[in-house]
Amino acid sequence: AQSVTQLDSQVPVFEEAPVELRCNYSSSVSVYLFWYVQYPNQGLQLLLKYLSGSTLVKGINGFEAEFNKSQTSFHLRKPSVHISDTAEYFCAVSGRGMNTGFQKLVFGTGTRLLVSP
Amino acid sequence: DTAVSQTPKYLVTQMGNDKSIKCEQNLGHDTMYWYKQDSKKFLKIMFSYNNKELIINETVPNRFSPKSPDKAHLNLHINSLELGDSAVYFCASSPRTGLSGSSYNEQFFGPGTRLTVL
Repeated sequence: AQSVTQLDSQVPVFEEAPVELRCNYSSSVSVYLFWYVQYPNQGLQLLLKYLSGSTLVKGINGFEAEFNKSQTSFHLRKPSVHISDTAEYFCAVSGRGMNTGFQKLVFGTGTRLLVSP
Repeated sequence: DTAVSQTPKYLVTQMGNDKSIKCEQNLGHDTMYWYKQDSKKFLKIMFSYNNKELIINETVPNRFSPKSPDKAHLNLHINSLELGDSAVYFCASSPRTGLSGSSYNEQFFGPGTRLTVL
């Protein structure tokens, strides 16, 4: 079974400042890792994903994340945030080796990013 | 064009009533999902269907019954609604992994249905 921990429930930051949203996971098998964003009153949108290969993954809207297997982390970063980045961010994990081909996403509890002028 | 759509967007009802939420995807995907997001924003999978067949059924009260008339639709019927059922319900879809040779296929989410039980 997999689980995801997002330690920060809320991260306030000023516009144009850098930000890091933390995500740690646990799993008994290799994993796929994801970050989703949820803007107010909207559904979830995939920001980026790690499946294999390079541990530094670049996503949409200038976000990137780094997979660290030894620390079981997948932190999300952006060098300079905008007001429009204010949203809820969810880290998620899906286990590999599921030969049935059906994937179950396990989500963290989310981190609210609040960007102020 | 809306990829994954849900109706209604908002649903307010009394305790004890029976209600349905509809989901449709026009992406040609084989697999569809229902997730529940509670008041603390925690998202948890409830069900998954592949080509009208139930493949994931988490620990969900049997008052919740998903129905898939075809692979483009996955509806959620809830009997005898309770206060604790108040939440946002998200539908999602994805291609089935493994058959196309890719290792993972992205899940696309609908806009959500906010259910309020009074």
